[in-house]
Amino acid sequence: QKEVEQNSGPLSVPEGAIASLNCTYSDRGSQSFFWYRQYSGKSPELIMFIYSNGDKEDGRFTAQLNKASQYVSLLIRDSQPSDSATYLCAVLSGSARQLTFGSGTQLTVLP
Amino acid sequence: DARVTQTPRHKVTEMGQEVTMRCQPILGHNTVFWYRQTMMQGLELLAYFRNRAPLDDSGMPKDRFSAEMPDATLATLKIQPSEPRDSAVYFCASGDLRGLQSAYEQYFGPGTRLTVT
Repeated sequence: QKEVEQNSGPLSVPEGAIASLNCTYSDRGSQSFFWYRQYSGKSPELIMFIYSNGDKEDGRFTAQLNKASQYVSLLIRDSQPSDSATYLCAVLSGSARQLTFGSGTQLTVLP
Repeated sequence: DARVTQTPRHKVTEMGQEVTMRCQPILGHNTVFWYRQTMMQGLELLAYFRNRAPLDDSGMPKDRFSAEMPDATLATLKIQPSEPRDSAVYFCASGDLRGLQSAYEQYFGPGTRLTVT
């Protein structure tokens, strides 16, 4: 079992819709959770982080964390074609003190 | 604006040659990470340093890879000898990690795209 799992996609949504990206992790001691966006040929860019159970909103982005279910998600409201990218989930494990990245979900927003 | 810089951006070399990649972390950041990204394996952590001291290099093939941080403004990743399977994008990232959860935000450089023929 991979430590951090994401649906690889590709995920396609129409412009203006809500895109939902999911991530599960295996280490119950994980403390912090991060979402990175990576455009093709570019480096990962941090867009959200969350440490506590519940929702955290930042503009059109909402991160949701459920530690009991070991699940973290990213919602993108009013999706735009410029949101088309690969989204990487990263988890800070309790013991390793370093980030473990999922394989990423490729999102395409169709005009 | 503050950013991580990496050189070279692209490198094509022949198998057996030495490759050195350089990274300048964001000024004031105390932790530097080296990652490798391939289509097959995704983003893998190779090594990281805190306050210039190596903390973990378990992700790095020890026989051919070495990572150093000679000063606070320069980190290097060296491959000797290089092999075709080393072809990947190598990212450096830096962060200001001081034991607080919020300090685990990492900021990535533009990467070095390495091709070994």
